[in-house]
Amino acid sequence: QLQLQESGPGLVKPSETLSLTCTVSGASISSSDYYWGWIRQPPGKGLEWIGTIYYSGNTYYNPSLRSRVTISIDTSKNQFSLKLSSVTAADTAVYYCGRLSVRDGYNFLSWYFDLWGRGTLVTVSS
Amino acid sequence: QTVVTQEPSFSVSPGGTVTLTCGLSSGSVSTNYYPSWYQQTPGQAPRTLIYRTNIRSSGVPDRFSGSILGKKAALTITGAQADDESDYYCVLYMGSGICVFGGGTKLTVL
Repeated sequence: QLQLQESGPGLVKPSETLSLTCTVSGASISSSDYYWGWIRQPPGKGLEWIGTIYYSGNTYYNPSLRSRVTISIDTSKNQFSLKLSSVTAADTAVYYCGRLSVRDGYNFLSWYFDLWGRGTLVTVSS
Repeated sequence: QTVVTQEPSFSVSPGGTVTLTCGLSSGSVSTNYYPSWYQQTPGQAPRTLIYRTNIRSSGVPDRFSGSILGKKAALTITGAQADDESDYYCVLYMGSGICVFGGGTKLTVL
């Protein structure tokens, strides 16, 4: 079954590094048709794109988070990961992983998130 | 930095039609931004509604449609139903793997 699943600690202390992993099931993370991304949503607020990675390892980050974000990919495990350093309470959010589809079923360029994980709440608190 | 704008809130009567928009703080939205739309209810992950401006994702009812209206991307709901009450987000693709989410529109059906 095609799905994405986030995993990682639900509680992180201020100034430490948040680490999450997204496991992809039912599809190869090495496909050239997809990028893989992280999106977050603070409580009661909107969605924010964090960054995206291609199977080749090329990464693209939100400029506002670039200095603190690292996204990596492990094709052997069909997983990709997020690290966010020096976290504060403002980083408390539900973190989603998602698949960014380059092309649709008709092979047209499309660039949209076609698959989402269920999300995981990460709280930053001492 | 690019800001994608959406109406913070909107209301529609059951059976009515509503159009939500997605603009840019500077410039016009075109199909080159591959606008996509997502629906989110509280506690749930987003659901993909529309991609590439006007293509409905699998299983999305045809009362949802996407377009470009003037300088903005638009999501129109025709014949709104109670369970359409949700938050709606647009995303624009800026190229080079970069996406920008709009701030979202809270739609009330009453």
